[in-house]
Order: sequence, then structure tokens, then C-alpha cells
Amino acid sequence: DAGVIQSPRHEVTEMGQEVTLRCKPISGHNSLFWYRQTMMRGLELLIYFNNNVPIDDSGMPEDRFSAKMPNASFSTLKIQPSEPRDSAVYFCASSLDGQLPYQPQHFGDGTRLSIL
Amino acid sequence: DAKTTQPTSMDCAEGRAANLPCNHSTISGNEYVYWYRQIHSQGPQYIIHGLKNNETNEMASLIITEDRKSSTLILPHATLRDTAVYYCIVRVAYQFYFGTGTSLTVIP
Repeated sequence: DAGVIQSPRHEVTEMGQEVTLRCKPISGHNSLFWYRQTMMRGLELLIYFNNNVPIDDSGMPEDRFSAKMPNASFSTLKIQPSEPRDSAVYFCASSLDGQLPYQPQHFGDGTRLSIL
Repeated sequence: DAKTTQPTSMDCAEGRAANLPCNHSTISGNEYVYWYRQIHSQGPQYIIHGLKNNETNEMASLIITEDRKSSTLILPHATLRDTAVYYCIVRVAYQFYFGTGTSLTVIP
């Protein structure tokens, strides 16, 4: 079975440019999560969608970050304008039902973002 | 904030059992304990989870103490491919609070 698919795997761009990260969750999963991982702060939850609706976006660092989930099989995380401090690995995860405490989250292999 | 405490690093000989401890003394009665691992350049991989009872699957066993204040992940026969950072997580609602984890090195 296909897992969570993220693209691109690597992104290098200059400060000020718009960056779009993409995620395809596991088919049949109704919950989707975006995380960011840095050496300083570890893994942090940015936003959580349930049935395509954003439930908790309190982890989104600032207005430059936005996330959408237009349908059950696709989500984007956009940074505009990008800054060097946004450099990190961004992970997408999905779960059969994020509200059920016994349902694990399954992670993609991430997008390694470098802002020059 | 992470609700767990783990040793920073551990070594294990190949073929031996790896026992990874975790303290979660402030866990609430309905909060699950989850274990994930992360191999370099990959996303966190789900291993196992439990509430009160000990659990076993094809990857590992999870032993939770009766007072639920600590747990141990057991990899029964460690291989070189088990070298990774292992995260013990107390799940609060939909939130997984990843701490700094234990870096396990399996030695040939």
C-alpha cells in the first residue's frame, strides 16, 4: 500500500520566493497533519485537518504560512514570502481518524527546505 | 511540551534485545503511550502504542508499568537497520509531543 507521499523531497530557493509543499495522504484517511522539524525545536505540529477542515492551526508560525486541503487526497503548505529561518524538514502525516486516540499517524518522508 | 523523559543515547549488540526506557510520570488515565522511530533522512515510523496492557506486534513489544508512569520498548533481536532515534510519546487528544528521543546504535 502506498504511504503518505510528499513532494518535492528537496527544495532550495532564495529568500522572498513563494514555496509550495504538497502532500497526498493515505487513501481512506480523514485526518491530515503538517509538522516541521528543526534541530533547535524538534518536531512541531503546524496544522491539523479533519475531513478537509482545519481544526487546529495554532502551530502555524505566522501569516506567511498557509495550508489548504481542497479534497481528501491532497493538501498544500505554502510559505510566502519565504525567509532563511523557514529552512527545515516539513513532514505530512495522515491518520484514519485523528480524533481517535488509538489510531496512529503515518508520516511521509518529508520535504527538506533550504531558503538561501 | 514533551511529557516524557528518555535517555539521550544507547548502544545494543546486534542480535541482542534492545530495551528502551521511558518515563511519563504525569500521564493521565486516558492518554496513550506511542513509540515512533526515525531513521536518518526519513519520516517518523510508527512502531507500537498502548494504554494499560502490554502490547506486542511484529516489530516490538511495549511493557507499561502498572502505575503507567513508565514504559519500555523492546526490540527482541536488534539488527543494524534498527539504528535510529526512538521517540516515546504521550498522546494528548490528536497531539503527538515529540521530545528529543533516544538515539539507538546497534553495534555489529
